[in-house]
Amino acid sequence: AQSVTQLDSHVSVSEGTPVLLRCNYSSSYSPSLFWYVQHPNKGLQLLLKYTSAATLVKGINGFEAEFKKSETSFHLTKPSAHMSDAAEYFCVVSAPDSNYQLIWGAGTKLIIKP
Amino acid sequence: DGGITQSPKYLFRKEGQNVTLSCEQNLNHDAMYWYRQDPGQGLRLIYYSQIVNDFQKGDIAEGYSVSREKKESFPLTVTSAQKNPTAFYLCASSTTYPGQGARTEAFFGQGTRLTVV
Repeated sequence: AQSVTQLDSHVSVSEGTPVLLRCNYSSSYSPSLFWYVQHPNKGLQLLLKYTSAATLVKGINGFEAEFKKSETSFHLTKPSAHMSDAAEYFCVVSAPDSNYQLIWGAGTKLIIKP
Repeated sequence: DGGITQSPKYLFRKEGQNVTLSCEQNLNHDAMYWYRQDPGQGLRLIYYSQIVNDFQKGDIAEGYSVSREKKESFPLTVTSAQKNPTAFYLCASSTTYPGQGARTEAFFGQGTRLTVV
């Protein structure tokens, strides 16, 4: 069965330092993978998506993620954190073994220290 | 501006009442979804609709009902049978339903926060 695991419930970094939010998935097939961001009491916004093209995917606001099939990972990174990046981030997987339903991770709350 | 509009932003319900959350989209999307979000959890699918006049139960449909009479609209009713309705509710849409083979992302409204008083 398909699943997605976000390895950290909270990540805290200082402004100007790199960000790493980790996501692992399980699927018997080649999945589509997405990262969404949610600011407090707001809806979700798509940051980036992987759909079997380039394995390094660039998104909005300077974020990028790399699809690593051998590690079944899709970690989200940003070289330099900004205060406005403080939010909750969700990793999502979609694949044939769940009829392409969107399967959501539990979320990682990113905290930015001044 | 194209997008998804949810209303109201905040909603208070008394015990035993039914309430209806509105969701309207002008993106011309076929598929629409309702999710529930609780603190510390990912999104859980309540209902989805692939096309007008059709809808299917998601993972946590008990105590909820929906209708899809128009392409643009997918209202959610939280009935008195829902034992723990306090949550943040998110409506979403996509060009097609992912199960039809298309790998498509979902677009979200700003959410409705429902509180039982």
